[in-house]
Amino acid sequence: QKEVEQNSGPLSVPEGAIASLNCTYSDRGSQSFFWYRQYSGKSPELIMFIYSNGDKEDGRFTAQLNKASQYVSLLIRDSQPSDSATYLCALGDSGTYKYIFGTGTRLKVLA
Amino acid sequence: EPEVTQTPSHQVTQMGQEVILRCVPISNHLYFYWYRQILGQKVEFLVSFYNNEISEKSEIFDDQFSVERPDGSNFTLKIRSTKLEDSAMYFCASSLGLANEQFFGPGTRLTVL
Repeated sequence: QKEVEQNSGPLSVPEGAIASLNCTYSDRGSQSFFWYRQYSGKSPELIMFIYSNGDKEDGRFTAQLNKASQYVSLLIRDSQPSDSATYLCALGDSGTYKYIFGTGTRLKVLA
Repeated sequence: EPEVTQTPSHQVTQMGQEVILRCVPISNHLYFYWYRQILGQKVEFLVSFYNNEISEKSEIFDDQFSVERPDGSNFTLKIRSTKLEDSAMYFCASSLGLANEQFFGPGTRLTVL
């Protein structure tokens, strides 16, 4: 059974700080990784995807992937109260169509 | 910006009744999906659909579930005889290709009484 593990949180950070969200996965063959943001009662909204080892930056967001350690993270710089949400890590199941989601980490940015 | 749409936003039904959840994927996307999320739990894959047929389904997607693309724009999920445990948010998603990212619709909250 392929698993995606996330700390459920809540992770509390002050406004303007860097929020670091982490995710580990069990399938060494996984190739594609996604971060979604989900506000309470809403649908997952894609923030970033990463396929290669290393860092990928998009605005205030940086995704980091380390396939050797089976670890993917999301950094949010200059955190804002509007970033308060649950962040879902998902991996694209190799050779299939489905995404496997973690339970999500709840982030609270304190004003 | 194109988006996935879903109707209704909330559906209340009695146990044993049939429900149909509707989705309009992004117009040039070729792959369509249904996921569900029981309150407080993780998002779970149900089924994927490509080229007018199911390409993959999960253990959850049993004989009570079916999907259809009745025309060039709609994609539906039917639950034939709803159970209490079917109460969840149901999300439709679509992607341009198999290797492309999936975009989710706003969801339908299904409540089975």
